[in-house]
Amino acid sequence: QSVLTQEASVSGTVGQKVTLSCTGNRNNVGKYAVGWYQQISHGAPKTVFFGDSLPSGIPDRFSGSKSGTTASLTISALQPEDEGDYYCSTWDAGLNVAAFGGGTKLTVL
Amino acid sequence: EVQLVESGGGLVQPGGSLRLSCAASGFTFKNYNMKWVRQAPGKGLEWVSHISWNSATTYYADSVRGRFAVSRDNSKNSLFLQMTGLRAEDTAVYYCAKDSGLGGTLDYWGQGAPVTVSS
Repeated sequence: QSVLTQEASVSGTVGQKVTLSCTGNRNNVGKYAVGWYQQISHGAPKTVFFGDSLPSGIPDRFSGSKSGTTASLTISALQPEDEGDYYCSTWDAGLNVAAFGGGTKLTVL
Repeated sequence: EVQLVESGGGLVQPGGSLRLSCAASGFTFKNYNMKWVRQAPGKGLEWVSHISWNSATTYYADSVRGRFAVSRDNSKNSLFLQMTGLRAEDTAVYYCAKDSGLGGTLDYWGQGAPVTVSS
């Protein structure tokens, strides 16, 4: 059982806006910045958003936000190359661990 | 350009040991905390360990505590993971990752080192 909770799967069509969520508690998401990682075909993860920062080279259709103990990753206009697995993570001050979500499989229809 | 290159993975028998290395370049390695994250076949990402920039603080997942040891050599821009008492369930691709400095989030990842524990 993951410390952070993500949807198992999300789907959308090309051009659609999709939002992935990551729910934790006051010791993790509620306290620290959240990172979002994209993994395509089980290759190496790539960071697509962390805290309030968009990494260099990541399209600006990716954005992140947080409200209370839930963080969100929004893709404003879904593209075929966005299909893959997405994981969220942050530090957990209560457990002294880096907490990961179980991952969301994003399918582009 | 930030690069993280893992090495040292391979096939090892249950109970055996392996040492992973991660060579870092393109950033001031000594200034950043680092982490190891693994992914078992068909599973999600699992955090393994954390080491602070000056090696003063280390943390481990319950699943590896007492068997794995993380270390670093800032003079050689290198991160290490010494794995002992390996079990079948340690079979995974192991990634080293750079802390962004924001709440333990990670901004760069290596390409991964596969470790297979099998007789």
